[in-house]
Amino acid sequence: AQTVTQSQPEMSVQEAETVTLSCTYDTSESDYYLFWYKQPPSRQMILVIRQEAYKQQNATENRFSVNFQKAAKSFSLKISDSQLGDAAMYFCAYRSGMYSGGGADGLTFGKGTHLIIQP
Amino acid sequence: DGGITQSPKYLFRKEGQNVTLSCEQNLNHDAMYWYRQDPGQGLRLIYYSQIVNDFQKGDIAEGYSVSREKKESFPLTVTSAQKNPTAFYLCASSIDPPGQGQPQHFGDGTRLSIL
Repeated sequence: AQTVTQSQPEMSVQEAETVTLSCTYDTSESDYYLFWYKQPPSRQMILVIRQEAYKQQNATENRFSVNFQKAAKSFSLKISDSQLGDAAMYFCAYRSGMYSGGGADGLTFGKGTHLIIQP
Repeated sequence: DGGITQSPKYLFRKEGQNVTLSCEQNLNHDAMYWYRQDPGQGLRLIYYSQIVNDFQKGDIAEGYSVSREKKESFPLTVTSAQKNPTAFYLCASSIDPPGQGQPQHFGDGTRLSIL
């Protein structure tokens, strides 16, 4: 079974600064997908970014980018120019791919990192 | 607008009572999922369904049941066998052909508490 570990229960950053959230995962599979989801106080889960394991290029979505280190099984999220609206819980998640024989089931989540933005 | 609707937003259960959480989607997604979220925890998978009339147990299915009679609907019943049902429940769907890693879209959740 796969596991996802987020070692930072809480992080704080000044508005307009850059912050990096850590995520490591354990798997024996070669085909998989990784995600970062944001959960603001409204509790809705919002997709931030998606990474395909077979792609070397790190995914980027506006101010959000990842540092995907497949050999190290690391998938960190960098938020640039932090804004007050970025304050939320951030969850890292894993999903098996088709060529790993899986993917029909759901996501495996880490326990989350609470991000605080200081004005 | 397309999306996932969960109801009710808040639900209270008495001892020995079964309660049903509703999840409806109009995204034409084949796959649907139920997750449970406890304080300080990530989401854990309860049940999932890839097609109508078929569903599979997730990691924490004990004390829960589901049905999938229509593509749009995937209700979750929390039975009296679930001894610690207080949690936040999230329903999700995805267009996923299995294994292609499409993102899951989530509803707004239902908070279930014990009376």
